[in-house]
Amino acid sequence: EIVMTQSPATLSVSPGERATLSCRASQGVSSNLAWYQQKPGQAPRLLIYGASTRATGVPARFSGSGSGTEFTLTISSLQSEDFAVYYCQQYNNWPLWTFGQGTKVEIK
Amino acid sequence: EVQLVESGGGLVQPGGSLRLSCATSGFTFSTYGMNWVRQAPGKRLEWVSYISHSGASIYYADSVKGRFTISRDNAKNSLYLQMNSLRDEDTAIYYCARASQTGYDYWGQGTLVTVSS
Repeated sequence: EIVMTQSPATLSVSPGERATLSCRASQGVSSNLAWYQQKPGQAPRLLIYGASTRATGVPARFSGSGSGTEFTLTISSLQSEDFAVYYCQQYNNWPLWTFGQGTKVEIK
Repeated sequence: EVQLVESGGGLVQPGGSLRLSCATSGFTFSTYGMNWVRQAPGKRLEWVSYISHSGASIYYADSVKGRFTISRDNAKNSLYLQMNSLRDEDTAIYYCARASQTGYDYWGQGTLVTVSS
């Protein structure tokens, strides 16, 4: 099983500031990495796939980078609606696609 | 518009059974593999089971193998999860999620399963 590890667990950011979230895979997953956003009481929403491609309707302030074992999600200027939990997920090892433990982005 | 709507969750005693359903619309259900993914309180998301578009290929996480059965009815655009021999650790929100080549691209709103005496 590929273990996904996210850091930090919690990120306190002021609106308008930049947020940088990290995700590490226990073994290489190429670019088969997705990011999801989850708000309280809601299902996860696909934000980024292929490590860097935004899903349909995702604002340009969200960007992803990385390959292999190290990945980053950047939110360039945090809006009020962006405060949520973010999960990375590898889909290289089908069908056992695994998730990180999540990073909570909270208002500073 | 793609929609996935789960139902069937509830409170059940350890050792009991439940059957979850996921009704879909807005896409050609019979051409997509489908999954169940769960989220226990305070825990990360966990893949539970996958079924191919035709039902010919089925996989389970080790944690549910032998206890859970995934199935689908393409005529009804619906996905199912039969859960037997339920344990405390099966308590979670259960989501159905559509599989694509780029991850889980659509999710339902989830149904809560609570296993407790």
